[in-house]
Amino acid sequence: DIVMTQSPDSLAVSLGERATINCKSSQSVLFNSDNKNYLTWYQQKPGQPPKLLIYWASTRESGVPDRFSGSGSGTDFTLTITSLQAEDVAVYYCQQYYNLPYTFGQGTKLEIK
Amino acid sequence: QVQLQESGPGLVKPSQTLSLTCTVSGGSISSAGYYWNWIRHSPGKGLEWIGYIDYREKIYYNSSLNSRATISVDTSKNQFSLKLTSVTAADTAVYFCVGDSGVSGAGSFEYWGQGTLVTVSS
Repeated sequence: DIVMTQSPDSLAVSLGERATINCKSSQSVLFNSDNKNYLTWYQQKPGQPPKLLIYWASTRESGVPDRFSGSGSGTDFTLTITSLQAEDVAVYYCQQYYNLPYTFGQGTKLEIK
Repeated sequence: QVQLQESGPGLVKPSQTLSLTCTVSGGSISSAGYYWNWIRHSPGKGLEWIGYIDYREKIYYNSSLNSRATISVDTSKNQFSLKLTSVTAADTAVYFCVGDSGVSGAGSFEYWGQGTLVTVSS
């Protein structure tokens, strides 16, 4: 199984500042035939299911604000939230869908400083 | 817009079978390209993918469940189901049914039910 490791486990950022969350996979999730990284990011707020933010490592899901961006390739990925808003307080997860079983990172809790 | 809703008992005794059903609305469960997943979330294991049944009724399971999981579909009711046998306290979790259109690659989870807490306890 591909192991997904996020850092940090928790993060406190001031409103309007940048938040950066890292995700590392134990093997590459870059599919050579289509040159796509099979990596997603989700946001989960208390009492709600996870919400898909980004797929293929850097493509924003429809309706997701452009302050959310994803980057990286191969085994190292980053979710960046520019200009943090109060409603961005949540737990963020990365997940690989390169092969089965699909696996998730342990989550990063984002709070306001 | 596809919507999903889980239903089933919230309390299951150890060694018994957990049974959950997911009702899909806003689209056909037989729609080409779709994958219908079960995912659970527990404090101990985090988010764990259990398995899926796809539009061709092909099924894959996470081997971590040691063959205890069974996923099935009832197209006449637009539902799919999960059975998990021989449960223990370690199976206590919030269970989500999740739909995936395959547009962004199978395994990118777009549509989530609200989740249902299942507690394993005598």
